[in-house]
Amino acid sequence: GESVGLHLPTLSVQEGDNSIINCAYSNSASDYFIWYKQESGKGPQFIIDIRSNMDKRQGQRVTVLLNKTVKHLSLQIAATQPGDSAVYFCAELNAGKSTFGDGTTLTVKP
Amino acid sequence: NAGVMQNPRHLVRRRGQEARLRCSPMKGHSHVYWYRQLPEEGLKFMVYLQKENIIDESGMPKERFSAEFPKEGPSILRIQQVVRGDSAAYFCASSPRLARSGANVLTFGAGSRLTVL
Repeated sequence: GESVGLHLPTLSVQEGDNSIINCAYSNSASDYFIWYKQESGKGPQFIIDIRSNMDKRQGQRVTVLLNKTVKHLSLQIAATQPGDSAVYFCAELNAGKSTFGDGTTLTVKP
Repeated sequence: NAGVMQNPRHLVRRRGQEARLRCSPMKGHSHVYWYRQLPEEGLKFMVYLQKENIIDESGMPKERFSAEFPKEGPSILRIQQVVRGDSAAYFCASSPRLARSGANVLTFGAGSRLTVL
């Protein structure tokens, strides 16, 4: 069956450093891969997505990399700020349904 | 645009009672998704609805859970005879059409937190 999981449950970085959050997926048929950010007490918020036929996409301070050979997805956050502290989920979109991984908690130390 | 509105934000029920969670999608959105999030876990898909139709309910428990999205009014997730294991955050998301890309990505509400005593 489908599953989306994350390598590390927690990540702690120093303010100003770059963060890399990883995700492994199993469904090769997924159309899109999406990263969400969830702050405490709130719903997930869209960060960036990447289509399955791409291997890199950049946004503002964020970059998503997709390696279909090893079914690996990563989110890179440049110059991490305290406001980036949250739980980050990867999700894969297939046939209109998004399947989420378990999340990585990012903590930014001042 | 008020976004996706969920209520109640917090709901406490005793075992055996019923819980009703409501979700009003964003204006212009006709597709609603319900997800459940247990503490320290990710979001698990439950059901996907369009107006008056259940499109995919593969994540819904077979018993006690039901969902609807009537022609008028919010989508309702109903849990009958709640048990402690139903305690979780229930998130609703909406999209203007079938989510075929990250671009028409799901917009989530703030969630309804159910506590079963």
